[in-house]
Parts: sequence; C-alpha cells; structure tokens
Amino acid sequence: DAGVTQSPTHLIKTRGQQVTLRCSPKSGHDTVSWYQQALGQGPQFIFQYYEEEERQRGNFPDRFSGHQYPNYSSELNVNALLLGDSALYLCASSLMTGSSTDTQYFGPGTRLTVL
Amino acid sequence: AQSVTQLGSHVSVSEGALVLLRCNYSSSVPPYLFWYVQYPNQGLQLLLKYTTGATLVKGINGFEAEFKKSETSFHLTKPSAHMSDAAEYFCAVSTNQAGTALIFGKGTTLSVSS
Repeated sequence: DAGVTQSPTHLIKTRGQQVTLRCSPKSGHDTVSWYQQALGQGPQFIFQYYEEEERQRGNFPDRFSGHQYPNYSSELNVNALLLGDSALYLCASSLMTGSSTDTQYFGPGTRLTVL
Repeated sequence: AQSVTQLGSHVSVSEGALVLLRCNYSSSVPPYLFWYVQYPNQGLQLLLKYTTGATLVKGINGFEAEFKKSETSFHLTKPSAHMSDAAEYFCAVSTNQAGTALIFGKGTTLSVSS
C-alpha cells in the first residue's frame, strides 16, 4: 500500500517565477493538506482540500493556491516566488469520516529553493 | 486561537537515559494533541496522539505522553533512549481528532550520545 507521495523531490526556481508541486494521497484517503516548513521551524498549515474544494486555510497570501482532482490527488501552486518561499513543502492526507477518528499521514516533502 | 510552545530547542541525553521533551499548549477549545518525529530529509511520522479518554497515551517506539489539562502540558517521555531516537520532534495541536490543520511547535532536536 503506497503512502503519500510527492513530486518533485527537489526544485530550484528564481524570484518571480511560478511553481507547481504535486501530491498523491495514501490509498483510501480523500483529504489533502499542505504545509510549509522553513528551515529550523515547525510546519505551518497552508490549506486543506476535500471534495475538490478548499475547506480550511492558514495565514498564507493568495499567491498560494491549490487544486484537488477527482482522484483526490492535489497540487500546490505558488506564484511570484519570493526568497522567503524557500522551504520544505509537506503534503498530508487523511480520510474525512465525520466525527470518527483517522490519522493524518505525511509525505516526504518537496524541497523548494528560490534564488 | 491555538498555539504550541516546545521548551528547549535542543535536548541531549546519553543512551539508556530518560528522554523528556516538553510541550505546552494554548487552546480555547478542547485540544487534540499530537507528537510527530522527523528524521533527516524525511517527512513527519506520527508518534502518538491524545483525543479523548485516558490521559496517558502510549505511542510507537516506546514513547508515551501525558495530557495534563491543569498544566496545559503534553510532555513526551521515553524511559531509555536509543541511538535511533536522535531526530527532530514536533508537538502539535488541532481542533479535530484527525489532526488536520495542525498548529506545530518549533520543534526539539534530540541528540543521543553513546
């Protein structure tokens, strides 16, 4: 059973460019969340997608946008890249089951470097 | 609003010694609390979580944590450290049991010496 997968593993961009990161959730999961982890910091919640809609959003500017496809995979798009966007971007998946408990699983992340 | 404070950015112990990683939280609603571990160049792995019920929670790799509402704490412990425990540990809080939209602390690096 494949876990959460992310692509690419590493990415180098220059300021002002746009980037797309991809995530495939763990089999059976329907909810995807994205986090940004700057060097030496804890992850920060960007947003969560369920049923192809953004359900929750953290304190991130509109330059950060996402998409979820019918197969539950997801993309994170960042426009007008800034040096401060350099970070490890983590994708996490879970199963939305109302009030029942499920565990969120994290992928290995995509390391984005902005020059 | 919720927040997490991890006391001590770096903890060093000897192999076989007690591991204690401290976490305090702030939450306006009943919290759901989590500990994650991150090995170098890897994603996060769930160690344990507190949702409801028993306040002493046992996790993987011999770790456990106790939810103390009066102290707003959720400290992580392990009786005997192993070299393989060296990693970054994150405490996190969520408003839901699945642990989505997590608020993380800044992390504690655990070093284990022989």
